[in-house]
Amino acid sequence: GENVEQHPSTLSVQEGDSAVIKCTYSDSASNYFPWYKQELGKGPQLIIDIRSNVGEKKDQRIAVTLNKTAKHFSLHITETQPEDSAVYFCAASISGGSYIPTFGRGTSLIVHP
Amino acid sequence: GAGVSQSPRYKVAKRGQDVALRCDPISGHVSLFWYQQALGQGPEFLTYFQNEAQLDKSGLPSDRFFAERPEGSVSTLKIQRTQQEDSAVYLCASSGYTDTQYFGPGTRLTVL
Repeated sequence: GENVEQHPSTLSVQEGDSAVIKCTYSDSASNYFPWYKQELGKGPQLIIDIRSNVGEKKDQRIAVTLNKTAKHFSLHITETQPEDSAVYFCAASISGGSYIPTFGRGTSLIVHP
Repeated sequence: GAGVSQSPRYKVAKRGQDVALRCDPISGHVSLFWYQQALGQGPEFLTYFQNEAQLDKSGLPSDRFFAERPEGSVSTLKIQRTQQEDSAVYLCASSGYTDTQYFGPGTRLTVL
């Protein structure tokens, strides 16, 4: 089955800095890669996703890059703000049908004001 | 409309008790997923429904875990004879005809 590794487990940055979270996956058949943000006491919320036919996708201050050959994908957050503090999860799955995503173990991002 | 809701939000059970956790998906969403999230970990897949059909239950950790979605809407996850290792947050997610899953707030189960 799929195995997703996520690093780092904790990331501490100053407000305004950039933050990068990296994930690797093992199953070359995976073609859908969502990123979730989970705040304390809440369920994960999708913030951005990317499919295997695209190498990069941006949405305001967040971007995701995908390297299919190396089987890794990354989340980039620019101009971080204290409200970006949360746990971020990457996931990998096969799009369509009864796809079941495999999640990474999460990165706790702390943005210091 | 409203998002995915789950009840109860918190449940404390004595070891050996049975519990039932409820999930109300987004109206019209055909797919429903249950996940177990241990402290400091990512969500782990338990089971998946498409409408009322349970298409995958490979993630259920033992036969003490049972899920149903009889009318293709509300789903219930039941855990019989709870054990301490069952303590976790149980997340429900639903999706329509796309890959995007919308998660509920979860039920935190503590087994004493």
